[in-house]
Amino acid sequence: GENVEQHPSTLSVQEGDSAVIKCTYSDSASNYFPWYKQELGKRPQLIIDIRSNVGEKKDQRIAVTLNKTAKHFSLHITETQPEDSAVYFCAASSGNTPLVFGKGTRLSVIA
Amino acid sequence: DAGVIQSPRHEVTEMGQEVTLRCKPISGHNSLFWYRQTMMRGLELLIYFNNNVPIDDSGMPEDRFSAKMPNASFSTLKIQPSEPRDSAVYFCASSLSRQAGELFFGEGSRLTVL
Repeated sequence: GENVEQHPSTLSVQEGDSAVIKCTYSDSASNYFPWYKQELGKRPQLIIDIRSNVGEKKDQRIAVTLNKTAKHFSLHITETQPEDSAVYFCAASSGNTPLVFGKGTRLSVIA
Repeated sequence: DAGVIQSPRHEVTEMGQEVTLRCKPISGHNSLFWYRQTMMRGLELLIYFNNNVPIDDSGMPEDRFSAKMPNASFSTLKIQPSEPRDSAVYFCASSLSRQAGELFFGEGSRLTVL
Protein backbone atom coordinates (compact mmCIF):
# COMPACT_ATOMS: atom_id res chain seq x y z
CA GLY A 1 0.00 0.00 0.00
CA GLU A 2 0.85 3.67 -0.14
CA ASN A 3 3.39 5.13 2.29
CA VAL A 4 3.81 8.90 2.67
CA GLU A 5 6.86 10.40 4.36
CA GLN A 6 6.81 14.07 5.43
CA HIS A 7 9.67 16.36 6.49
CA PRO A 8 10.43 18.26 8.61
CA SER A 9 8.29 17.33 11.62
CA THR A 10 8.68 20.83 13.04
CA LEU A 11 9.55 24.11 11.34
CA SER A 12 10.02 27.59 12.77
CA VAL A 13 10.27 30.65 10.54
CA GLN A 14 10.29 34.37 11.04
CA GLU A 15 7.21 36.25 9.95
CA GLY A 16 7.58 37.22 6.31
CA ASP A 17 9.95 34.39 5.46
CA SER A 18 9.05 31.39 3.30
CA ALA A 19 8.30 27.88 4.54
CA VAL A 20 8.75 24.66 2.59
CA ILE A 21 7.41 21.24 3.57
CA LYS A 22 8.35 18.15 1.59
CA CYS A 23 6.68 14.79 1.10
CA THR A 24 7.54 11.59 -0.73
CA TYR A 25 5.19 8.77 -1.65
CA SER A 26 5.73 5.16 -2.62
CA ASP A 27 2.85 4.14 -4.91
CA SER A 28 3.44 5.18 -8.52
CA ALA A 29 -0.32 4.84 -9.13
CA SER A 30 -1.07 7.78 -6.82
CA ASN A 31 -2.45 10.72 -8.74
CA TYR A 32 -4.01 13.04 -6.17
CA PHE A 33 -1.96 15.03 -3.65
CA PRO A 34 -3.77 17.34 -1.20
CA TRP A 35 -2.47 19.40 1.67
CA TYR A 36 -4.47 19.90 4.86
CA LYS A 37 -4.01 22.51 7.59
CA GLN A 38 -4.99 21.73 11.16
CA GLU A 39 -5.09 24.53 13.69
CA LEU A 40 -4.80 23.67 17.36
CA GLY A 41 -7.87 21.80 18.54
CA LYS A 42 -9.57 22.02 15.16
CA ARG A 43 -10.31 19.70 12.28
CA PRO A 44 -7.96 19.25 9.28
CA GLN A 45 -9.08 21.39 6.34
CA LEU A 46 -7.99 21.26 2.72
CA ILE A 47 -5.88 24.23 1.66
CA ILE A 48 -4.62 23.17 -1.77
CA ASP A 49 -4.39 20.05 -3.90
CA ILE A 50 -2.71 18.95 -7.09
CA ARG A 51 -3.34 16.14 -9.52
CA SER A 52 -0.70 14.26 -11.44
CA ASN A 53 -1.40 15.95 -14.77
CA VAL A 54 0.15 19.22 -13.56
CA GLY A 55 3.53 20.04 -12.04
CA GLU A 56 2.66 23.14 -10.05
CA LYS A 57 -0.37 24.93 -8.65
CA LYS A 58 -0.55 28.26 -6.88
CA ASP A 59 -3.18 29.98 -4.76
CA GLN A 60 -2.13 33.37 -3.42
CA ARG A 61 0.69 32.76 -0.92
CA ILE A 62 0.66 28.96 -1.13
CA ALA A 63 1.90 26.74 -3.92
CA VAL A 64 2.42 23.04 -4.41
CA THR A 65 4.89 21.38 -6.75
CA LEU A 66 4.88 17.76 -7.90
CA ASN A 67 7.67 15.65 -9.34
CA LYS A 68 6.12 12.34 -10.39
CA THR A 69 9.40 10.85 -11.50
CA ALA A 70 10.91 11.34 -8.08
CA LYS A 71 7.57 10.68 -6.29
CA HIS A 72 8.01 13.93 -4.45
CA PHE A 73 5.74 16.90 -3.77
CA SER A 74 6.16 20.05 -1.72
CA LEU A 75 4.17 22.84 -0.12
CA HIS A 76 5.53 26.37 -0.32
CA ILE A 77 4.18 29.21 1.80
CA THR A 78 5.53 32.68 1.05
CA GLU A 79 5.34 35.81 3.20
CA THR A 80 4.36 33.76 6.23
CA GLN A 81 2.06 35.27 8.82
CA PRO A 82 1.33 34.27 12.43
CA GLU A 83 -2.02 32.81 11.35
CA ASP A 84 -0.12 30.31 9.19
CA SER A 85 1.02 28.61 12.41
CA ALA A 86 -0.58 25.15 12.41
CA VAL A 87 0.11 21.51 11.61
CA TYR A 88 0.23 20.75 7.90
CA PHE A 89 -0.42 17.29 6.48
CA CYS A 90 0.34 16.04 3.02
CA ALA A 91 -1.54 13.07 1.60
CA ALA A 92 -1.68 10.88 -1.48
CA SER A 93 -4.17 8.57 -3.14
CA SER A 94 -4.72 6.81 -6.44
CA GLY A 95 -8.38 7.79 -6.68
CA ASN A 96 -9.73 4.35 -5.90
CA THR A 97 -7.97 4.23 -2.56
CA PRO A 98 -8.46 6.47 0.44
CA LEU A 99 -6.03 9.22 1.34
CA VAL A 100 -2.87 8.20 3.16
CA PHE A 101 -1.49 11.04 5.26
CA GLY A 102 2.02 12.03 6.21
CA LYS A 103 2.74 12.43 9.91
CA GLY A 104 2.45 16.21 9.78
CA THR A 105 4.66 19.28 10.11
CA ARG A 106 4.16 21.70 12.98
CA LEU A 107 4.84 25.17 11.55
CA SER A 108 5.48 28.06 13.92
CA VAL A 109 5.64 31.57 12.51
CA ILE A 110 7.45 33.87 14.89
CA ALA A 111 6.35 37.49 14.87
CA ASP B 1 -25.06 22.28 5.26
CA ALA B 2 -23.79 21.89 8.82
CA GLY B 3 -20.83 19.80 7.71
CA VAL B 4 -19.84 16.47 9.20
CA ILE B 5 -21.25 16.15 12.70
CA GLN B 6 -19.60 14.00 15.33
CA SER B 7 -20.60 13.16 18.88
CA PRO B 8 -19.55 13.17 21.59
CA ARG B 9 -16.85 15.86 21.30
CA HIS B 10 -15.16 14.60 24.43
CA GLU B 11 -15.42 11.25 26.17
CA VAL B 12 -13.65 10.17 29.34
CA THR B 13 -14.15 6.58 30.34
CA GLU B 14 -12.55 3.85 32.37
CA MET B 15 -10.67 0.91 30.96
CA GLY B 16 -13.00 -1.93 30.06
CA GLN B 17 -16.00 0.26 29.28
CA GLU B 18 -17.72 0.34 25.91
CA VAL B 19 -17.33 3.50 23.84
CA THR B 20 -19.56 4.48 20.93
CA LEU B 21 -18.64 7.37 18.65
CA ARG B 22 -21.18 8.73 16.21
CA CYS B 23 -20.99 10.49 12.86
CA LYS B 24 -23.39 12.16 10.47
CA PRO B 25 -21.80 12.78 7.07
CA ILE B 26 -22.62 15.64 4.74
CA SER B 27 -25.86 14.96 2.91
CA GLY B 28 -25.21 13.58 -0.57
CA HIS B 29 -21.72 12.32 0.24
CA ASN B 30 -21.33 8.66 -0.64
CA SER B 31 -18.05 7.87 1.11
CA LEU B 32 -17.37 7.95 4.85
CA PHE B 33 -14.05 7.50 6.60
CA TRP B 34 -12.98 6.98 10.21
CA TYR B 35 -9.48 8.22 11.11
CA ARG B 36 -7.62 8.11 14.43
CA GLN B 37 -5.12 10.83 15.31
CA THR B 38 -2.32 10.49 17.85
CA MET B 39 0.95 12.35 18.29
CA MET B 40 2.98 9.23 17.63
CA ARG B 41 1.13 7.83 14.62
CA GLY B 42 -0.49 10.87 13.04
CA LEU B 43 -3.74 10.39 11.08
CA GLU B 44 -4.44 6.69 10.58
CA LEU B 45 -7.31 5.37 8.48
CA LEU B 46 -9.34 2.84 10.45
CA ILE B 47 -12.14 1.97 8.01
CA TYR B 48 -14.07 3.46 5.14
CA PHE B 49 -17.49 2.95 3.62
CA ASN B 50 -18.79 3.56 0.13
CA ASN B 51 -22.57 3.72 -0.30
CA ASN B 52 -22.91 2.41 3.28
CA VAL B 53 -20.83 -0.70 2.52
CA PRO B 54 -17.53 -1.25 4.36
CA ILE B 55 -14.79 -1.35 1.74
CA ASP B 56 -11.58 -1.64 3.73
CA ASP B 57 -11.29 -2.24 7.47
CA SER B 58 -7.64 -3.29 7.45
CA GLY B 59 -6.78 -0.27 9.59
CA MET B 60 -8.96 -1.36 12.48
CA PRO B 61 -6.43 -2.17 15.19
CA GLU B 62 -8.09 -5.29 16.59
CA ASP B 63 -11.37 -7.05 17.20
CA ARG B 64 -12.25 -4.63 19.97
CA PHE B 65 -13.02 -2.07 17.26
CA SER B 66 -16.11 -2.27 15.08
CA ALA B 67 -17.89 0.18 12.78
CA LYS B 68 -21.29 0.26 11.15
CA MET B 69 -23.12 2.43 8.69
CA PRO B 70 -26.79 1.43 8.79
CA ASN B 71 -27.85 4.22 6.43
CA ALA B 72 -26.44 7.07 4.39
CA SER B 73 -26.71 9.59 7.20
CA PHE B 74 -25.26 7.76 10.19
CA SER B 75 -22.21 5.76 11.22
CA THR B 76 -20.84 4.48 14.51
CA LEU B 77 -17.42 3.41 15.69
CA LYS B 78 -17.49 1.18 18.74
CA ILE B 79 -14.66 0.13 21.03
CA GLN B 80 -15.41 -2.73 23.43
CA PRO B 81 -13.66 -3.11 25.78
CA SER B 82 -11.72 0.15 25.75
CA GLU B 83 -8.06 0.35 26.81
CA PRO B 84 -5.84 3.34 27.74
CA ARG B 85 -3.92 3.00 24.45
CA ASP B 86 -7.15 3.77 22.60
CA SER B 87 -6.94 7.36 23.86
CA ALA B 88 -6.83 9.58 20.76
CA VAL B 89 -8.89 11.95 18.66
CA TYR B 90 -11.20 10.08 16.33
CA PHE B 91 -12.20 11.92 13.17
CA CYS B 92 -15.02 11.07 10.83
CA ALA B 93 -14.79 12.46 7.30
CA SER B 94 -16.94 12.26 4.20
CA SER B 95 -16.50 12.88 0.50
CA LEU B 96 -18.75 12.95 -2.55
CA SER B 97 -17.27 9.67 -3.72
CA ARG B 98 -14.11 7.61 -3.46
CA GLN B 99 -12.74 9.42 -6.49
CA ALA B 100 -13.91 12.90 -5.53
CA GLY B 101 -10.80 13.95 -3.69
CA GLU B 102 -11.54 16.40 -0.91
CA LEU B 103 -12.32 14.99 2.51
CA PHE B 104 -14.53 17.02 4.83
CA PHE B 105 -13.68 16.29 8.44
CA GLY B 106 -15.87 16.52 11.49
CA GLU B 107 -14.68 18.28 14.63
CA GLY B 108 -13.45 15.01 16.07
CA SER B 109 -14.17 13.04 19.23
CA ARG B 110 -11.44 13.23 21.86
CA LEU B 111 -11.39 9.93 23.76
CA THR B 112 -9.57 9.47 27.05
CA VAL B 113 -9.50 6.00 28.56
CA LEU B 114 -8.29 5.95 32.17
